Amino acid sequence: EVQLVESGGGLVKPGGSLSLSCAASGFTLTGYTMHWVRQTPGRGLEWVSSITSDSAFIYYADSVKGRFAISRDNAENSLYLQMTGLSPDDTAVYYCARGKLMAELEYWGQGALVTVSS
Amino acid sequence: QSALTQPPSASGSPGQSVTISCTGTSSDVGGYNFVSWYQQHPGRAPKLIIYEVTKRPSGVPDRFSGSKSGNTASLTVSGLQSEDEADYFCSSNAGSSSLVFGGGTKLTVL
Repeated sequence: EVQLVESGGGLVKPGGSLSLSCAASGFTLTGYTMHWVRQTPGRGLEWVSSITSDSAFIYYADSVKGRFAISRDNAENSLYLQMTGLSPDDTAVYYCARGKLMAELEYWGQGALVTVSS
Repeated sequence: QSALTQPPSASGSPGQSVTISCTGTSSDVGGYNFVSWYQQHPGRAPKLIIYEVTKRPSGVPDRFSGSKSGNTASLTVSGLQSEDEADYFCSSNAGSSSLVFGGGTKLTVL
């Protein structure tokens, strides 16, 4: 069974940093493009970042470009999101997902809540 | 990249059909056949129910169907059931380096 489990969420002050992890099981991360998507009550779902199977291609939404960094460790079957320069607008539930590049996201994790507040 | 436009709410009685629209532009919905639909129950992660405009993943009932005309994609739920009450989101490829979502539609089964 494919499972994605996010961790690392929490409360951080504006301007701070936080790192999210996503542990994959039930499949081998190698060969799959992976994504981060966030969700807020007011703004719905928002694509954040994508990374191809070999990390050769990485993409970011304009809203996080220059502040967030996606990475993966295929040997550890894990996906990461390093977030810096956080603002209250980054407050959201962050999901990791497996799916085709810029197409359907077939499996999602349960999400990790990130709250940016002083 | 602007979000795709969905009606905030939709409703129907059990057994009826309801259609949810998702309007974009020629740079996303109208330009690619990579429109997807997701169902999300409260407190749960989104679940893929339609991909590539019309295709259904294994296990998704055929009561769910997708279509597209020009810059607008649509999700139709036929034979409404109580468990269909959920939020529905569309997404589309918006070029080689971007994915865009709709604002979501809350479907109520009356």
